[in-house]
Amino acid sequence: GAGVSQSPSNKVTEKGKDVELRCDPISGHTALYWYRQSLGQGLEFLIYFQGNSAPDKSGLPSDRFSAERTGGSVSTLTIQRTQQEDSAVYLCASSLPEPEQYFGPGTRLTVT
Amino acid sequence: RKEVEQDPGPFNVPEGATVAFNCTYSNSASQSFFWYRQDCRKEPKLLMSVYSSGNEDGRFTAQLNRASQYISLLIRDSKLSDSATYLCVVTGSSNTGKLIFGQGTTLQVKP
Repeated sequence: GAGVSQSPSNKVTEKGKDVELRCDPISGHTALYWYRQSLGQGLEFLIYFQGNSAPDKSGLPSDRFSAERTGGSVSTLTIQRTQQEDSAVYLCASSLPEPEQYFGPGTRLTVT
Repeated sequence: RKEVEQDPGPFNVPEGATVAFNCTYSNSASQSFFWYRQDCRKEPKLLMSVYSSGNEDGRFTAQLNRASQYISLLIRDSKLSDSATYLCVVTGSSNTGKLIFGQGTTLQVKP
């Protein structure tokens, strides 16, 4: 079946601009996660949505980062006033909500 | 101290070799444990879950020692296609929610 999809696959933006990254989870998965992976670094948790519960935002690095999940499915991660240190691969994952998470291909964000 | 620690390697081994990776985690309340595989510039893919009783999937064997907070992965009869970064992953105190990733161990299998 279809896996997690993310768009765009690559995004180049100028410092100070806002960007939106999209994630479509696996159909039927109730939990959705955002992570980021900077060059040569491990994966860093950003935010977690589970059903109608309040999201766990404990990993968001600053108030420039926000995310929404509409209708319990698609999610959008928004980064306002992008900075060069925001350059990374942003990965979305979904789960049933059993603990195994399945990742999308990621969005590679480059802030110039 | 990192929550999940792994030897970054690289491990360079010949085809057919047996190689073992180890990982330690700091949160004794962690409930679920996994090995993920990540190829260069690709997303992590679930390789296997890890159970206290140990589990095997073909050439791959995973072990968990809760008392020592230690996880291992053994790969037998290494193939060129096993070359990748292997990520040790744990959950937090809740069985759902964020995954906590180690930095990964790089394996290069050579002909």
